[in-house]
Amino acid sequence: QKEVEQNSGPLSVPEGAIASLNCTYSDRGSQSFFWYRQYSGKSPELIMFIYSNGDKEDGRFTAQLNKASQYVSLLIRDSQPSDSATYLCAVEYNFNKFYFGSGTKLNVKP
Amino acid sequence: DGGITQSPKYLFRKEGQNVTLSCEQNLNHDAMYWYRQDPGQGLRLIYYSQIVNDFQKGDIAEGYSVSREKKESFPLTVTSAQKNPTAFYLCASSKTGQGYTDTQYFGPGTRLTVL
Repeated sequence: QKEVEQNSGPLSVPEGAIASLNCTYSDRGSQSFFWYRQYSGKSPELIMFIYSNGDKEDGRFTAQLNKASQYVSLLIRDSQPSDSATYLCAVEYNFNKFYFGSGTKLNVKP
Repeated sequence: DGGITQSPKYLFRKEGQNVTLSCEQNLNHDAMYWYRQDPGQGLRLIYYSQIVNDFQKGDIAEGYSVSREKKESFPLTVTSAQKNPTAFYLCASSKTGQGYTDTQYFGPGTRLTVL
């Protein structure tokens, strides 16, 4: 069984702070990593993906990947109350087969 | 508008009934997927299809069946053999089905409740 682990939270940060979300995975052969945001009662929406070691930035979001440590993270700068949601980490193990973590709930306090 | 549609939004099933959840996409995506999400849980893969007329079981396929007769459509049937079907069901699609990585996009979901 492929495993994708996330801290369930909730993670509470004040408005304007940096939120750091973490994810570890079990299979060293994984190639692609995705972060989704899911509001309560809604479907997941893609935030960003990363394939290569290092950092990838998109607006207020930065994904960080360390394949040697089997670790991927998402940083949210200048957190806003509208960022309050559950963040799902997804890992692709075979082409087009994905495994999801259980998600980290983020609360951004005004 | 391009996208993935799922119907119905809410579905109620009596014990012993089969029900079918609809998923349609007009994104010209090759691959389609069905996931189940239970409260406080991540997504678990039920079935996926990389090409028309072909599909594979995911991790929790027991009690479910699918078909892929058209590229645009991937209906999921929840049979009476599924003992605990109450959950949020999500359909997804991705552009390229074989030998290539691409992003999954999700439909709005169907919430199934067993009465």
